[in-house]
Amino acid sequence: DGGITQSPKYLFRKEGQNVTLSCEQNLNHDAMYWYRQDPGQGLRLIYYSQIVNDFQKGDIAEGYSVSREKKESFPLTVTSAQKNPTAFYLCASSIAGLVRAEAFFGQGTRLTVV
Amino acid sequence: SQQGEEDPQALSIQEGENATMNCSYKTSINNLQWYRQNSGRGLVHLILIRSNEREKHSGRLRVTLDTSKKSSSLLITASRAADTASYFCATSNDYKLSFGAGTTVTVRA
Repeated sequence: DGGITQSPKYLFRKEGQNVTLSCEQNLNHDAMYWYRQDPGQGLRLIYYSQIVNDFQKGDIAEGYSVSREKKESFPLTVTSAQKNPTAFYLCASSIAGLVRAEAFFGQGTRLTVV
Repeated sequence: SQQGEEDPQALSIQEGENATMNCSYKTSINNLQWYRQNSGRGLVHLILIRSNEREKHSGRLRVTLDTSKKSSSLLITASRAADTASYFCATSNDYKLSFGAGTTVTVRA
């Protein structure tokens, strides 16, 4: 089955810890995205990558970091610099560019600070 | 910054009725897309309408786009309980999708 897989589904972080959220796709898509979703605020773009070894900041990149060493993988690290990390994180992928194509989403990771 | 804004924020209808939600956006777009999200899950793509199209249909879904007014609407006809979800519009410009805050639709049996 082709798709996009996020893990873990639930993640708990202690104050001051870095945590990494996994996102893997086997759709052979060039582009991958990370979004954050808070209640009532819709989705906000954190980082996106159009090609391996390249990525761009989105609207709310502060306190987050990413890497794109493989086409299939786009992990997101939530660093201790992110002061309010509790949220639902969604990863997506698409063919290069979005002029004619839709994005495919994973099932999300719910991160909670404890 | 969020590009699209949906209206209304919430909608409650009886099964069998139609549901209409609107989306307004601010800048020029390549296309506009509608997505659906069931509670606590990922988003699922519903329909894409290009900037040079005015109307598109897919099953019980009808989408319109008015680029002069920078607005779009999504109509779900003959709603079912399974249509209960949040619906988001997303505008595509270059390499990014920008989402609105969504419309939460509840279909009562």
